[in-house]
Amino acid sequence: GEDVEQSLFLSVREGDSSVINCTYTDSSSTYLYWYKQEPGAGLQLLTYIFSNMDMKQDQRLTVLLNKKDKHLSLRIADTQTGDSAIYFCAESTRAGGTSYGKLTFGQGTILTVHP
Amino acid sequence: ETGVTQTPRHLVMGMTNKKSLKCEQHLGHNAMYWYKQSAKKPLELMFVYNFKEQTENNSVPSRFSPECPNSSHLFLHLHTLQPEDSALYLCASSQDSKGNIQYFGAGTRLSVL
Repeated sequence: GEDVEQSLFLSVREGDSSVINCTYTDSSSTYLYWYKQEPGAGLQLLTYIFSNMDMKQDQRLTVLLNKKDKHLSLRIADTQTGDSAIYFCAESTRAGGTSYGKLTFGQGTILTVHP
Repeated sequence: ETGVTQTPRHLVMGMTNKKSLKCEQHLGHNAMYWYKQSAKKPLELMFVYNFKEQTENNSVPSRFSPECPNSSHLFLHLHTLQPEDSALYLCASSQDSKGNIQYFGAGTRLSVL
């Protein structure tokens, strides 16, 4: 079945770049996502990448996808204290026989940004 | 603001109570979802509704009863819950049945005493 793995913790200094990594197992993934969850809040869609792309850049965010290794990363440039949150990687697949795209989430990476 | 609103934000209930969680989306989407987020576990998909019809029940106990009166509203009725049901319940919606890009509400933090 589908499985998404992330490291649990990442600590960086303000102004540095953060790189959050994710691996997944389902080669039939259609989209891969990064969501951000701040304390007491729901999940905010940060960015997503279609499975036929290698890279996507959106302001301070860069997503890299290595389909061969089933590896996804999120790079945050010039990390700020406001970026401290939990970051979830997710993949969507078209499960056989169902009419919807199923999202499978990783456990989340807690990013802590120190001043 | 994501366009998906959940109420209440916090709920404390006893095991014999009956309560309901509400989700409303203002995005014109046709599919809606309930997820459960427990500490130290990945998000668990509970239910999927597409055009008001339930298309997925992920082996959820019957003490959770969803209702989708229209494409904009989704409810989760709760009855005789257990303490282990305490969690953050998240609602999401997506444009179509493919469900590829899901937008989430802020969640309801539920505590069962």
